[in-house]
Amino acid sequence: AQSVTQLDSHVSVSEGTPVLLRCNYSSSYSPSLFWYVQHPNKGLQLLLKYTSAATLVKGINGFEAEFKKSETSFHLTKPSAHMSDAAEYFCVVSALPSLIIQGAQKLVFGQGTRLTINP
Amino acid sequence: DGGITQSPKYLFRKEGQNVTLSCEQNLNHDAMYWYRQDPGQGLRLIYYSQIVNDFQKGDIAEGYSVSREKKESFPLTVTSAQKNPTAFYLCATTTGRNTEAFFGQGTRLTVV
Repeated sequence: AQSVTQLDSHVSVSEGTPVLLRCNYSSSYSPSLFWYVQHPNKGLQLLLKYTSAATLVKGINGFEAEFKKSETSFHLTKPSAHMSDAAEYFCVVSALPSLIIQGAQKLVFGQGTRLTINP
Repeated sequence: DGGITQSPKYLFRKEGQNVTLSCEQNLNHDAMYWYRQDPGQGLRLIYYSQIVNDFQKGDIAEGYSVSREKKESFPLTVTSAQKNPTAFYLCATTTGRNTEAFFGQGTRLTVV
C-alpha cells in the first residue's frame, strides 16, 4: 500500500529565508509524486511532479523537490520565501487502484503542511 | 478557458436533507474524482469514475452517491445518511496514469 507522511504540520519562516517542507513516502512500486499548494478556500494547484525522469524536479514559483529513493523522501524547497508563499502544501503519491481502466488513478495525500511567512 | 467548475461555492443544508454538488469539466479528461477535505486530515477519496456510466467507491463512500451520465459531468449527492457532512468538497480530473490531477475551486458544505 502507498502512504505519505508530511513531517511538519506547520512551518514558519521569515521572508527571504529558505523554505524546506519535508515529505516521506512508502510505495510498493516506483511511484509518481506531486506537490500541490492550496490557498484558503481554493482548489489545489500543482507545484511540481516526479514521474521517474530527473530526480531533481523544478516547479513553479521557484520551488523544487528532490526524489531520493534510498531515503524514500521528496522534500520541497525554495531558496527565498515570499509572502505570497503562505499557504497549505500537500505531498501526494499516485497509487494504482485495483482495477485500471482508461488510466484512472488513486492519489494518496499527506496531511498537509501550513507554511507561514513572517515579514 | 479549459477547466473544472464546481458549484455552488457555498452550500447550506438542513439536517435530513439531500444536497447535490455540481462538477463540470471541459478538459476532455476521462477520469473524475470527488474528495472531502477536513482540517488537518488532508484529502480523502469519496468516489471516482474512470469512464462514462462507471464509478467506484473510494475510502469514505458511505452516505454519498454519484452518477456519470456524461463525460463532462460528475455530480455528488450528499445524502441524509452522511452523519457529518460539513466539509470542503473538491472535484478533480486526470487524463491518464501517473499524471497530475486538476482540481476545481471547491464547495464548502455546512449543515445548519
